[in-house]
Amino acid sequence: QVQLVQSGSELKKPGASVKVSCKASGYIFTNYALNWVRQAPGQGLEWMGWINTNTGSPTYAQDFTGRFDFSLDTSVSTAYLQISSLKAEDTAIYFCARVSLWFGDRRGMDVWGQGTTVTVSS
Amino acid sequence: DIVMTQSPDSLAVSLGERATINCKSSQSVFHSSNNKNYLGWYQQKSGQPPKLLISWASTRESGVPDRFSGSGSGTDFTLTISNLQAEDVAFYYCQQFQSTPLTFGGGTRVEIK
Repeated sequence: QVQLVQSGSELKKPGASVKVSCKASGYIFTNYALNWVRQAPGQGLEWMGWINTNTGSPTYAQDFTGRFDFSLDTSVSTAYLQISSLKAEDTAIYFCARVSLWFGDRRGMDVWGQGTTVTVSS
Repeated sequence: DIVMTQSPDSLAVSLGERATINCKSSQSVFHSSNNKNYLGWYQQKSGQPPKLLISWASTRESGVPDRFSGSGSGTDFTLTISNLQAEDVAFYYCQQFQSTPLTFGGGTRVEIK
């Protein structure tokens, strides 16, 4: 079946880095962009950006430039989110979700990963 | 950037009654080339990822009960939950996917009165 499976929870100290994975299965990986969405504790959904799985080109939302990096390994249909120089305010659940690369077919984020909790604490 | 504004922030509805959530976009998300509104509605239950309920403003996703309906066009949209059930307690978000950044509304909490 179509699914996105994310890596497990992470506990990191301030200043460290973390890399979250999102493995796709059950569909043609390069037909869909992979988005990253942040949800801070008790807060709403925040789009961080996406990566074009055809070209590998990332697009970052304004608040997610600099310390955030999206990457791919198409050989294993996996996308990655790396956050460097972690701060306490990066504590959140991070979701990956797919959306069609083709504008005419784009109907929203129809498949989501289960979420990865990243906790930043000394 | 397209700003999405949802109202109300929360609402309490009796079982079997109707819940109505509004979403307004700062720019039109309608495309005349294909007559589609690039607006989706998501349901997020506690401890779960969001689930796409409605795409293109009014198209229910497969398996979504028909008590969920979406309407509107251009900049003003509505999600209606008719005959509210206990399992509908959740947060609901609208999102535009016409242009990046793909912005979400602030969310609406629906609970049972």
